[in-house]
Amino acid sequence: DAKTTQPPSMDCAEGRAANLPCNHSTISGNEYVYWYRQIHSQGPQYIIHGLKNNETNEMASLIITEDRKSSTLILPHATLRDTAVYYCIVRAGGNDMRFGAGTRLTVKP
Amino acid sequence: DVKVTQSSRYLVKRTGEKVFLECVQDMDHENMFWYRQDPGLGLRLIYFSYDVKMKEKGDIPEGYSVSREKKERFSLILESASTNQTSMYLCASKRTGGVHGYTFGSGTRLTVV
Repeated sequence: DAKTTQPPSMDCAEGRAANLPCNHSTISGNEYVYWYRQIHSQGPQYIIHGLKNNETNEMASLIITEDRKSSTLILPHATLRDTAVYYCIVRAGGNDMRFGAGTRLTVKP
Repeated sequence: DVKVTQSSRYLVKRTGEKVFLECVQDMDHENMFWYRQDPGLGLRLIYFSYDVKMKEKGDIPEGYSVSREKKERFSLILESASTNQTSMYLCASKRTGGVHGYTFGSGTRLTVV
C-alpha cells in the first residue's frame, strides 16, 4: 500500500469548512484513497473513498488531484462533533488495511 | 443496524494470565481484523482472517493468537498477558473484495497489571 502523509493536527472554526490534506505521491493506478475518522473512545468510522474522480456523500467531499498524488477531505460546515482523528489510507482492493497516525482535527466554537 | 460487537469495553488482567477478547459481527462479512491502538502509534494490525478457520499475521502478531471457528466470531488471545500489551484493541469486519469499507467495533481497553 502507498504511504500517506498527513499533518498531525489542525484546527477549524465551527461552521467553517475543514479541509484536511493528504499526500500520497507513490500511489499506484489501482489504489483507492479512503478516509476514516475516529471520535474519542470509539472505533474508526468510514467516511468516503475515491479512485480519481471527486466524490461527495452526506458526510464529506473528497477532492483528488489530477495526478492523484494528493487529496483533500472537505467537511463543508464543521461542527463540534466533527472533532476527531482523520485517517487517509491508500490501498488497492484486498482485505487488509493499514492506518497511519492521522490528523487530529479540533473544531472550536 | 449492522454491528461489530466487542464483548468487553474495559478489562483488567494480571500479568501472565491468558486473555480472550471476543468480537462478533452480524453482517455476514468474510473478513475480520484485530488492531491495537496506542498513543502516537495509530492503529496497528495484529491478525486478520478472510474465512472461517483461516488467519493471517498482521504487522505485530507476536504475543497474540487468534481463533475463527465461526464466520461471525473472531477471538484474539493473549497467551500470557504482559504489561506492554496494555492497549485499546479494536475489531473490524469487511466484505470480501472491491472497495468495501471496514466496520469497527467500539473497542476494548485492556489494562495488564
